[in-house]
Amino acid sequence: DIQMTQSPSTLSASVGDRVTITCRASQSISSWLAWYQQKPGKAPKLLIYKASNLESGVPSRFSGSGSGTEFTLTISSLQPDDFATYYCQQYDGYWTFGQGTKVEIK
Amino acid sequence: QVQLQQSGPGLVKPSQTLSLTCAISGDSVSSNSAAWNWIRQSPSRGLEWLGRTYYRSKWYNDYAASVRSRININPDTSKNQFSLQLNSVTPEDTAVYYCAREPRREAGRKADFDYWGQGGLVTVSS
Repeated sequence: DIQMTQSPSTLSASVGDRVTITCRASQSISSWLAWYQQKPGKAPKLLIYKASNLESGVPSRFSGSGSGTEFTLTISSLQPDDFATYYCQQYDGYWTFGQGTKVEIK
Repeated sequence: QVQLQQSGPGLVKPSQTLSLTCAISGDSVSSNSAAWNWIRQSPSRGLEWLGRTYYRSKWYNDYAASVRSRININPDTSKNQFSLQLNSVTPEDTAVYYCAREPRREAGRKADFDYWGQGGLVTVSS
């Protein structure tokens, strides 16, 4: 299985901050990576697919970049609704997810 | 708008079979443009993909190696839904289970999950 490692595990930030989350794959996955946002008691919500494509309806403050083994999710200006846990997912092989990054209020 | 509605028991006894159903609206289980997946989430295992079913002139299934010997995912075209059966469950199978749609973005390639069911906690306990 392809292992996905996210950093940091927890991130404390304030409204308006620029936030970056990193995801590393144990082997090259080209651009076959998605990012999800999950709030407590809810299903994950797709934000980004194929590393940098913004899902329809997702605010433009979210962006993704990277290829190969290193990827980033950036929130350009953190909003109150963005405090949540974020997961990366690879789909070059059978799907695997990172362990999550919790974005909390500073 | 695609909606996925999950149903099934929240409590299953050890060694028995876990059965869940995911009813689809706004799309078809027989669509050539989607695949239908089951994923679970637990504190110990995180998000874990379990398997999928999809139709491309005939039905196909893929299953995760961790559960391959005891899982079945079946489409029900008459009710436009698909089901998960997990046999011989243990307390380690306790998790929140989700169904999800995988759109066919590029022919022959796997994709992300763009629509999810509401999730349901299944506890394995006597």
